[in-house]
Amino acid sequence: GEDVEQSLFLSVREGDSSVINCTYTDSSSTYLYWYKQEPGAGLQLLTYIFSNMDMKQDQRLTVLLNKKDKHLSLRIADTQTGDSAIYFCAERSSSASKIIFGSGTRLSIRP
Amino acid sequence: SAVISQKPSRDICQRGTSLTIQCQVDSQVTMMFWYRQQPGQSLTLIATANQGSEATYESGFVIDKFPISRPNLTFSTLTVSNMSPEDSSIYLCSALPGGGETQYFGPGTRLLVL
Repeated sequence: GEDVEQSLFLSVREGDSSVINCTYTDSSSTYLYWYKQEPGAGLQLLTYIFSNMDMKQDQRLTVLLNKKDKHLSLRIADTQTGDSAIYFCAERSSSASKIIFGSGTRLSIRP
Repeated sequence: SAVISQKPSRDICQRGTSLTIQCQVDSQVTMMFWYRQQPGQSLTLIATANQGSEATYESGFVIDKFPISRPNLTFSTLTVSNMSPEDSSIYLCSALPGGGETQYFGPGTRLLVL
């Protein structure tokens, strides 16, 4: 079945760039998402990319997609303390309504 | 986009009781979903709430335990029945507007069963 994998933890220094990686197995994935969950909050859709794109940039966020390797990454430039959260990678095929989530990567920021 | 609200935001319940969670979307949406997020875990889809018909449940979830209603295109309820401490989780409502590109989530209902 479909699977989405992420590393569980990432620690970066304030001001540095954070790169969160994700791999998925479903070759029919059409939409790939990044969600952010702050402590005690719901899921916030950060950005998403279509499978026919290689890159998408939105202010401090850059998403890179390597469809051949089924690898997705989220880069956060100039990481701030407010970026501390759990980041979920997720995928969905165009033929399905169901989103498959990764386990989430907990990003912590050190001074 | 879609803005989703849930009630209650949190609750503490006794085992054996039931709790109904409400989900309201600010616009008509094609599809609505209910997810569970157990402590420290990722999200697991419970079911797809179908408007005007029975919900479609994922493996491991049954209607008797998690009855779902969806009377119209903007509202759904999830009931957690005969609760046990293992049901302590965050329950999240989600909506997929027409066009089907992005799925939005409510703030979640934090349930603690004693």
